[in-house]
Amino acid sequence: NAGVTQTPKFRVLKTGQSMTLLCAQDMNHEYMYWYRQDPGMGLRLIHYSVGEGTTAKGEVPDGYNVSRLKKQNFLLGLESAAPSQTSVYFCASAGRADEQFFGPGTRLTVL
Amino acid sequence: LAKTTQPISMDSYEGQEVNITCSHNNIATNDYITWYQQFPSQGPRFIIQGYKTKVTNEVASLFIPADRKSSTLSLPRVSLSDTAVYYCLVGVAFSGSARQLTFGSGTQLTVLP
Repeated sequence: NAGVTQTPKFRVLKTGQSMTLLCAQDMNHEYMYWYRQDPGMGLRLIHYSVGEGTTAKGEVPDGYNVSRLKKQNFLLGLESAAPSQTSVYFCASAGRADEQFFGPGTRLTVL
Repeated sequence: LAKTTQPISMDSYEGQEVNITCSHNNIATNDYITWYQQFPSQGPRFIIQGYKTKVTNEVASLFIPADRKSSTLSLPRVSLSDTAVYYCLVGVAFSGSARQLTFGSGTQLTVLP
């Protein structure tokens, strides 16, 4: 039981490049989330999903897209990376309202 | 969105009890209160959740007064390994209509030897 895994762990992009972050969970959870955390700050919700095939915007969705084609996977895409998107990205899943299980994070640097 | 207010930082000594209070004046009837712990370079970890009165588990207690406009996380006999950021969240994520959960800036707890 791996819990929540994130791929990749680290990535460096140049401005304008695109990439996809993968989140996978093996707990059969319905709810999945993507957050970003800037240095010294709390987590901010980017997008979330309440089930397979559904997605919704969170607090800071601009510049990101998501997809939940399979229940166990939640993908976060950056179509044209900007330096302001340099951050640590956390994925989480939950089987009920507020007990979220977090992945180890992806550290993204955009030059 | 239910907004929360916590102290930015707290210091304590090993073996002491630590109480961290969170203010959430506009909590809704269906909202639960949840606390998370985050160590550097790691994702947050669930500590405890409650709706009213008192909840206790193996690591912490959560005290919620009758008006539910605040809550207090109590950590008994802290150790150096309890040094972390503690987040208070208020909300019910998904029950029909979706609602967002908001992590505030959290409280940096530093346990001193």
